[in-house]
Amino acid sequence: GDSVTQMEGPVTLSEEAFLTINCTYTATGYPSLFWYVQYPGEGLQLLLKATKADDKGSNKGFEATYRKETTSFHLEKGSVQVSDSAVYFCALRSSGAGSYQLTFGKGTKLSVIP
Amino acid sequence: DGGITQSPKYLFRKEGQNVTLSCEQNLNHDAMYWYRQDPGQGLRLIYYSQIVNDFQKGDIAEGYSVSREKKESFPLTVTSAQKNPTAFYLCASKDTGRDVNEQFFGPGTRLTVL
Repeated sequence: GDSVTQMEGPVTLSEEAFLTINCTYTATGYPSLFWYVQYPGEGLQLLLKATKADDKGSNKGFEATYRKETTSFHLEKGSVQVSDSAVYFCALRSSGAGSYQLTFGKGTKLSVIP
Repeated sequence: DGGITQSPKYLFRKEGQNVTLSCEQNLNHDAMYWYRQDPGQGLRLIYYSQIVNDFQKGDIAEGYSVSREKKESFPLTVTSAQKNPTAFYLCASKDTGRDVNEQFFGPGTRLTVL
């Protein structure tokens, strides 16, 4: 079945540092890929998405590129801020007919210190 | 404003009692979902519903029940058969259009069984 593997956290960075959170996936066909963010005590918010190979999703300075050859969707940001402290989830939706479910990674907790 | 509401935000129950978590959406979405979140385990799908009066079990349905009598409402009952019910519960909804991928999440309910 489908699966998503994220780098384990927690990740602690200083403000203005470069961020990479690795995500790889296993799925048949051509899944859609997502990054969600969860701030403390809240639900999940969609951060960015990509629906086909070589697409780049971007939002709020975060970027991720859909790499089918390496089955990866790594999240990057050039300069993190304290307000980016949250848990980040990589997820996929398979391309099968009638597929309405998302498969999530376990999440990576990011802490940014001033 | 359109969105998903979950109530209450915090819920405490004694062991052996059934409890129902509320989820309401005014996004006119056909599909709705319930997830359970535990530390270090990401999100796991409990139940989902693609249309009114129909729902399917997810990966961890044992000890839970749902109903979908109205399009905007998808309540989750945590029964006394659920062995470890203390967790953070997230409700989500999604449009079932062909090219629509994103799930929208509510703010969550934290259930603590004493």
